[in-house]
Parts: sequence; C-alpha cells; structure tokens
Amino acid sequence: DVQLLESGGGLVQPGGSLRLSCAASGFTFSVNAMSWVRQAPGKGLEWVSSISGSGGSTYSADSVKGRFTISRDSSKNTLYLQMNSLRAEDTAVYYCAKDTRAAAGKYYFDSWGQGTLVTVSA
Amino acid sequence: EIVLTQSPGTLSLSPGERATLSCRASQSVSSSYLAWYQQTPGQAPRLLIYGASSRPTGIPDRFSGSGSGTDFTLTISRLEPEDFAVYYCQQYGSSALTFGGGTKVEIK
Repeated sequence: DVQLLESGGGLVQPGGSLRLSCAASGFTFSVNAMSWVRQAPGKGLEWVSSISGSGGSTYSADSVKGRFTISRDSSKNTLYLQMNSLRAEDTAVYYCAKDTRAAAGKYYFDSWGQGTLVTVSA
Repeated sequence: EIVLTQSPGTLSLSPGERATLSCRASQSVSSSYLAWYQQTPGQAPRLLIYGASSRPTGIPDRFSGSGSGTDFTLTISRLEPEDFAVYYCQQYGSSALTFGGGTKVEIK
C-alpha cells in the first residue's frame, strides 16, 4: 500500500522559513512524480508544486514561485518543500501527493498523505 | 491559467438519490485531462475519476464521470451515507494545475 507521511509543519512568523518533508513507501519512489497541494482553513484545494520522477523538472504555482522550492531525495524516498518568505496567506494544511503523469508537467494525484499544518502568524 | 467553476456550491439530497455535479472550465481542457476527488471532513482527498470518465481500482461503480472540452459532470447514481462529502474537480491539461472551488453534497 502507498503510504505518504508529511512532517515539518508548525507555527512560523511572517517572513520566516520552514521545510516540509514527506516520507514515501509502498511504491517505486524514484520513478514517480510527486506534488504538494495545500488547503487553507475552510477553503478549497490549491496546487503548489510538482517534481518529475527524476527530479529534473519542477513546476510551481505563480503564488509560490521564487519563494518555495520542491525537491526530492530518492535515496531516502523523501519529498521536500522548502518554504521561504512565508506570508499569512500561506497558512494551510500541506498535502504530499503521488502523481500519475499524463504528459510532461500534467499530473493528477492518485494518493495523498494526511497533511501537515503550517500556520504563518506573528 | 484554466479556471474551473463548480456548481452547485451545495447539493442537498437524501440517501438513495442521484447526485449530478458540474465542473465548467474557462477554456477547453486538452485530452479530457480532468479528475474528480472526494474529501470527507478531516480527511485527505481521494481520487474518484481521472481522464474525465475512468475510475481507479476500488472506486464503486455508482461514481461516473463524463464530459469533454469545457463541460464535465460527476454523477453519483445512488447516494450512500459515506458519499456525503465535498467534491473537487481538477484539470491537468496545462502545467498550471488548477482545482475547482468544490461542491458540498449534504444530507437533506
């Protein structure tokens, strides 16, 4: 069974940084694209960033470009999201998702973790 | 960016009834690259439909998807108690992936 376990969330001040991790198991991590999707409290889903299986291609939403960086370590079966210059509007539950690739940069999310809460507040 | 508009915002129905949810795109979604997800309170989303009409293994056949271009529909043929939830559509026809705002299916 696919298992995705996020960690690293917490309370951070505006302008601060945080790194989220997602430990993956139950599938061949090194060949699978992965993504981060977030959900602000009481709101809908918002795609954040995706990375190809090789790690050679990354894609990000305009709302986080230049501030968030997605990466992966296939030796550790772990996905990361480095978040810098955090804003109040980044407050959300951040989900790690395993992707199915329809084409380059075009993914849907076939498995999800339970999420980790990031709160940006003074 | 492709904007997805879901309607209605809330659907009030009884168990056993049929639910019809709509997802309209601001421009054509290439290759019918549209997915549907179900989210119950406090839980992560679950994939229901991909490619507009394909069901992953394990998804009951009371869930069906249809549509192409800019208009897509998720139908739940007979609502079970566990189907009362929020449903989201997502397009992956462009590399700027987007979700609709969601439709809540509640018990009438």
